[in-house]
Amino acid sequence: GAVVSQHPSRVICKSGTSVKIECRSLDFQATTMFWYRQFPKKSLMLMATSNEGSKATYEQGVEKDKFLINHASLTLSTLTVTSAHPEDSSFYICSAEGPGNIQYFGAGTRLSVL
Amino acid sequence: AQSVTQLDSQVPVFEEAPVELRCNYSSSVSVYLFWYVQYPNQGLQLLLKYLSGSTLVKGINGFEAEFNKSQTSFHLRKPSVHISDTAEYFCAVSESGAGSYQLTFGKGTKLSVIP
Repeated sequence: GAVVSQHPSRVICKSGTSVKIECRSLDFQATTMFWYRQFPKKSLMLMATSNEGSKATYEQGVEKDKFLINHASLTLSTLTVTSAHPEDSSFYICSAEGPGNIQYFGAGTRLSVL
Repeated sequence: AQSVTQLDSQVPVFEEAPVELRCNYSSSVSVYLFWYVQYPNQGLQLLLKYLSGSTLVKGINGFEAEFNKSQTSFHLRKPSVHISDTAEYFCAVSESGAGSYQLTFGKGTKLSVIP
């Protein structure tokens, strides 16, 4: 139980295009989901907390117009990187708060912007 | 606000040897503690967690950790490592109480098991 699916696992795009990443809780409902960014050899940096039916809460320094988050249902949150640039290349990981308020993580999305 | 310190960025260890990955935290309130493992190019998998009760917590893959409140530590141990344990290990903390539990992660420790 408590499986989180993240799609796509890898995406390569041209500079200036937008990329959408999906995070789904497959066997539980998640009122709260989290989006992280992980730089090479660094820890996970929390970008934002996504709450179903309301606006996401962004961490300091994260541009909300750049990283659009939508949590339209109890099983799906999406992160859209708008007008992506090479500096946005990174590993993005989502998590969903599941049973016992434990965070269960997706497998991550490797974004490469050319 | 809380913080997590993983003192060792890399730990090489021979196969079948014991290992300890260190984690210290700081917080002004009670906390929940977690260890996650990340295999290359994958997300994080929960190894074990301390929420309350016994301070010795057993997790998956033969790992265990002990919560020491006086030393604000939550070190991860395994008595005999296997090649498949090679991965990055993250210690994380969240404030206990009602509501969503936002995690603060340490910088990770890369465990390399040498055959």
